[in-house]
Amino acid sequence: AQKVTQAQTEISVVEKEDVTLDCVYETRDTTYYLFWYKQPPSGELVFLIRRNSFDEQNEISGRYSWNFQKSTSSFNFTITASQVVDSAVYFCALSEADRDDKIIFGKGTRLHILP
Amino acid sequence: SAVISQKPSRDICQRGTSLTIQCQVDSQVTMMFWYRQQPGQSLTLIATANQGSEATYESGFVIDKFPISRPNLTFSTLTVSNMSPEDSSIYLCSVEAVSPGQFSYEQYFGPGTRLTVT
Repeated sequence: AQKVTQAQTEISVVEKEDVTLDCVYETRDTTYYLFWYKQPPSGELVFLIRRNSFDEQNEISGRYSWNFQKSTSSFNFTITASQVVDSAVYFCALSEADRDDKIIFGKGTRLHILP
Repeated sequence: SAVISQKPSRDICQRGTSLTIQCQVDSQVTMMFWYRQQPGQSLTLIATANQGSEATYESGFVIDKFPISRPNLTFSTLTVSNMSPEDSSIYLCSVEAVSPGQFSYEQYFGPGTRLTVT
């Protein structure tokens, strides 16, 4: 069965520090998709990235970067030079090719960026 | 992407009553989804709603409790029936739309409806 584990329930860092959010997934499928979403205090979920299982290249988008490693079933998310506006709950998620419309979410990591 | 609005944004309801949540999208979309996020928890898919067909419910969710309508390609409703305090959650609508600059469909979420049942 598919599962997404975000072991860090809550993290606090001081502004400008780098922070990595961990995500470990389980799936029996060889074709699957991994996601990160951000949920700021306003509540709306913001799509950040999707990765398919055949693309292990790391992705960088501004201060955000993602490290996908199939060997360890991990899809970690790093924020560089964190800012107070990065404070939010971050969800890692997974969908499988035969039901790619069904997204399985992890429990989320609440990130506090302290000024 | 897609701009999604939901009504109401929040409500407090009495046990045993029903609430209908509306989801409006600014463009035509084929697939719409309803999720539940219980307090402090992750999101769980309730059902998928395609226009012109019955909604497809996930395990643990039934039509009698969560009837869904999908009358056209920009609108859907979710009703939470015969509510109990355990139904207190955030209910989110999402749609599949093309990601800007990408050649893929992604799920975009509405702002959610925060429901408290007393």
